[in-house]
Amino acid sequence: DIQMTQSPSSVSASVGDRVTITCRASQGISSWLAWYQQKPGKAPKLLIYAASSLQSGVPSRFSGSGSGTDFTLTISSLQPEDFATYYCQQANSFLWTFGQGTKVEIK
Amino acid sequence: EVQLVESGGGLVKPGGSLRLSCAASGFTFSSYSMNWVRQAPGKGLEWVSSISSSSSYIYYADSVKGRFTISRDNAKNSLYLQMNSLRAEDTAVYYCAREGELGGADYWGQGTLVTVSS
Repeated sequence: DIQMTQSPSSVSASVGDRVTITCRASQGISSWLAWYQQKPGKAPKLLIYAASSLQSGVPSRFSGSGSGTDFTLTISSLQPEDFATYYCQQANSFLWTFGQGTKVEIK
Repeated sequence: EVQLVESGGGLVKPGGSLRLSCAASGFTFSSYSMNWVRQAPGKGLEWVSSISSSSSYIYYADSVKGRFTISRDNAKNSLYLQMNSLRAEDTAVYYCAREGELGGADYWGQGTLVTVSS
């Protein structure tokens, strides 16, 4: 199975900060990577698919980059509603796997 | 509007069975692969199973293979997960999710809680 490793596991940041989360795959996955945002008690929400494509309705402050094994999710200017947990997920294999999550907390 | 509504969760004893359902609306259900993803209390997301649009291709996580069975009824716009031989570690919120065209899950249900405990 393809393992997905996210870092950091948590980050403390202030409104307006630039936040970067990384995700590494245990083997090459081309651009078959998605990013999700999840708030407590809610279902995950798709932010980015195909590594860098912004899902419809998602603010442009979210961006994704990378290919192969190394990927990045960037929030260019953190907003109050962005405090949540973020997950990466590989879709290269039919057996999906998720990263362990990164919690973005208020500093 | 795309909607996915799960049902069927509840409390079950170890070794017991449960069948989850997911009712889909607002899109052509028969054109999309569907997935089940679960989340244990306070833990991360774990993919459970997927089924292609015509049920030709079915995949399971190793953790549930041989115990869980995914199925769908395109005439009823419904997705199912039959869960047998349940264990305490199967306790989780179970989400059904539609697979987007370029990978990833673009729509999710609200989830249904399965608790396995004696």
